[in-house]
Amino acid sequence: DAKTTQPNSMESNEEEPVHLPCNHSTISGTDYIHWYRQLPSQGPEYVIHGLTSNVNNRMASLAIAEDRKSSTLILHRATLRDAAVYYCILGSDDKIIFGKGTRLHILP
Amino acid sequence: DSGVTQTPKHLITATGQRVTLRCSPRSGDLSVYWYQQSLDQGLQFLIQYYNGEERAKGNILERFSAQQFPDLHSELNLSSLELGDSALYFCASSVVWASGYNEQFFGPGTRLTVL
Repeated sequence: DAKTTQPNSMESNEEEPVHLPCNHSTISGTDYIHWYRQLPSQGPEYVIHGLTSNVNNRMASLAIAEDRKSSTLILHRATLRDAAVYYCILGSDDKIIFGKGTRLHILP
Repeated sequence: DSGVTQTPKHLITATGQRVTLRCSPRSGDLSVYWYQQSLDQGLQFLIQYYNGEERAKGNILERFSAQQFPDLHSELNLSSLELGDSALYFCASSVVWASGYNEQFFGPGTRLTVL
């Protein structure tokens, strides 16, 4: 299974943009890049996914490098409710494999 | 609220016992996935069912089994329980079988404690 590498933790100030990086140098041509987040005491929640082009939705933006070996999840204006573990995952065919994720701390 | 329901929320049992966890997917979703989340192992994929058939297997122990019923709800059976089986068990659902390409919706989880 293709692997992803993320920082263990990050901090950001409230109301500022947050850029969460992810490296996936062994990505294959059919792997989609997914981001999920898990708020305390809750199940994971889908954030965004993409294949090659940058993607935007109401929660976040996903910037994918041209060679697809890295990507960045962008939260445009972080709030305290965005404090969570963010998982960058490569998904293909049958399953998605979760790694350790990045624990995002938001400072008021 | 993801639309996925799981029962019970909490379960406390003893070693050697057997338990059944239940999951109801979102209306219209045909795929159900089971995950185990423990402190040291993170979120581990166990098994997937699509429209009643087993579709993919992950790190599921032989003591564990699952099934998906005609009404699409799913049950995860855990037997000969050990202390190390204490964890959060999540169920997720998606519309199609190819989870790698589509989003999964997760339930609130069942917390299993084995004493």
